[in-house]
Amino acid sequence: SQELEQSPQSLIVQEGKNLTINCTSSKTLYGLYWYKQKYGEGLIFLMMLQKGGEEKSHEKITAKLDEKKQQSSLHITASQPSHAGIYLCGAHQGAQKLVFGQGTRLTINP
Amino acid sequence: DVKVTQSSRYLVKRTGEKVFLECVQDMDHENMFWYRQDPGLGLRLIYFSYDVKMKEKGDIPEGYSVSREKKERFSLILESASTNQTSMYLCASSPSGDTDTQYFGPGTRLTVL
Repeated sequence: SQELEQSPQSLIVQEGKNLTINCTSSKTLYGLYWYKQKYGEGLIFLMMLQKGGEEKSHEKITAKLDEKKQQSSLHITASQPSHAGIYLCGAHQGAQKLVFGQGTRLTINP
Repeated sequence: DVKVTQSSRYLVKRTGEKVFLECVQDMDHENMFWYRQDPGLGLRLIYFSYDVKMKEKGDIPEGYSVSREKKERFSLILESASTNQTSMYLCASSPSGDTDTQYFGPGTRLTVL
């Protein structure tokens, strides 16, 4: 079965700094999702990538899928306190089903 | 906007009780899912449904059952709650395509004493 590994598991950055979270798959990705979760709440959909080399941006968050479609990165520029939370990557494993990474806990210090 | 709602944000039950967790979506999605989320284990799929009255086991179905009598509603049932079912439960829905985005509810934090 497909496994997703996220790194780092936790990240503490100063407000205003840039940061990157990685998601690596053991198999080719045919749909890679990024979600954000505030502590104790549900997941909020951020972006979905399908094509090798694809890059999408939403406000100050950019996600990329590498050409080989086995790794994705999430980059936040000029981080703000509102970016704090848990970021999860997910990928399709068979029809409809998603498998998720363990998550990266992001803390933004003022 | 897609809206997925869950009946309770917090729930406390006793061992052996029958527990119902309800999930409702308002976007006419075919697929609905139940996950549990635990520290160190991430999200794990319990059951999913791709149509009314249809259900499929996920990765950890033991101790759970589900019901989907109407398209918009997907219920997770713990027949006899146990302490190891204390967890965060998340419901999601998606359209019918195999790679369609899943949209999540706010979650129910269940504590079994």
